[in-house]
Amino acid sequence: DAGVIQSPRHEVTEMGQEVTLRCKPISGHNSLFWYRQTMMRGLELLIYFNNNVPIDDSGMPEDRFSAKMPNASFSTLKIQPSEPRDSAVYFCASSQQQGYEQYFGPGTRLTVT
Amino acid sequence: AQSVTQLGSHVSVSEGALVLLRCNYSSSVPPYLFWYVQYPNQGLQLLLKYTTGATLVKGINGFEAEFKKSETSFHLTKPSAHMSDAAEYFCAVTLATGGFKTIFGAGTRLFVKA
Repeated sequence: DAGVIQSPRHEVTEMGQEVTLRCKPISGHNSLFWYRQTMMRGLELLIYFNNNVPIDDSGMPEDRFSAKMPNASFSTLKIQPSEPRDSAVYFCASSQQQGYEQYFGPGTRLTVT
Repeated sequence: AQSVTQLGSHVSVSEGALVLLRCNYSSSVPPYLFWYVQYPNQGLQLLLKYTTGATLVKGINGFEAEFKKSETSFHLTKPSAHMSDAAEYFCAVTLATGGFKTIFGAGTRLFVKA
């Protein structure tokens, strides 16, 4: 299996621009998670889906952030408009079922200037 | 509320010495417990997990952890540290009830001195 695939691996954008991060979970996994990692705040859960349905989005920082999972093999995390404080590494992870071990992608390093 | 505490944000050991990374959780219900490792510029990867059964679990790279219900702990150990063990380690807890939400600890960065 190819594991969790994230794209792009690096993104540099200017403040105010829209950013879309993409994730392909492991085939057969029915839970998907989006995390943000920074030095200051550590690893934060933003949102997670089960069977393509958002279960908990309480970690989404504000309305500028949105996430979708249109089907079992694809999810997006969108930031619009982006701000410098959104600079971080964003991880997508998937698990076979809720509560089971999670498999993390390599992350997308976002820099907003 | 469920929480995970990792004692010590940084731990430094000499090569060949014992590694002990501490994790305590707060839960009245036996949870699922995990340790993950993160190497620089990579995502987290599973080291080991406890769900049910034997309370001493073995993972990859010579690591093991013991679930102690009475102490609500799941400490990670390795008898002899190797330079390649230098990384950040995260303890995580999932309650097996009510939504199966997983909570990660703040992480412990392990340094290994030659």
